[in-house]
Amino acid sequence: DTEVTQTPKHLVMGMTNKKSLKCEQHMGHRAMYWYKQKAKKPPELMFVYSYEKLSINESVPSRFSPECPNSSLLNLHLHALQPEDSALYLCASSQVGGGNQPQHFGDGTRLSIL
Amino acid sequence: DAKTTQPPSMDCAEGRAANLPCNHSTISGNEYVYWYRQIHSQGPQYIIHGLKNNETNEMASLIITEDRKSSTLILPHATLRDTAVYYCIVRVAYRRNNNDMRFGAGTRLTVKP
Repeated sequence: DTEVTQTPKHLVMGMTNKKSLKCEQHMGHRAMYWYKQKAKKPPELMFVYSYEKLSINESVPSRFSPECPNSSLLNLHLHALQPEDSALYLCASSQVGGGNQPQHFGDGTRLSIL
Repeated sequence: DAKTTQPPSMDCAEGRAANLPCNHSTISGNEYVYWYRQIHSQGPQYIIHGLKNNETNEMASLIITEDRKSSTLILPHATLRDTAVYYCIVRVAYRRNNNDMRFGAGTRLTVKP
């Protein structure tokens, strides 16, 4: 069981659709992350939020729009995605402050773009 | 953050110790060594981390060489459920408002009956 909950677990969408991925944690963590993982590859960092403010954007295309409405919730809004965006999207959280704080991951949303 | 090098794959017999090596020859004095694993269709799972001293928890032991240029993750009695991709990651000790973590290719460990 994971303490980071991601919904939905699976999502199939067309290239013209708008959808959102949701991530929730109740561990009091103030840093939250989005990663993208293609099949048989390691996770790649997309975004980092610290204290609900975006601190890192790894040059992610604007069709991915992150949002952190409060300290427990992280969203990833999707619009006009491409087939190559099909992947596992992972959310993680940790305490802020440095390398001594492990990240805790959810089990991801598996996204398929038709 | 320092780069890490791991063997792409390893096998281990069930019940035996699994020793997974990691090379991080460019590590700085303020960088931690982390280990995560990812079982198929799940998110990465934190295992253990350390700075200079060896560490042990209920899952594994982390042995860091004295010069800190390499480390070994030890699963003392591997089971079939330990089959996973194991990632060794180096992270700087403190970077204000910046907790990013970058994954390398990892080692695919297969535990065999």
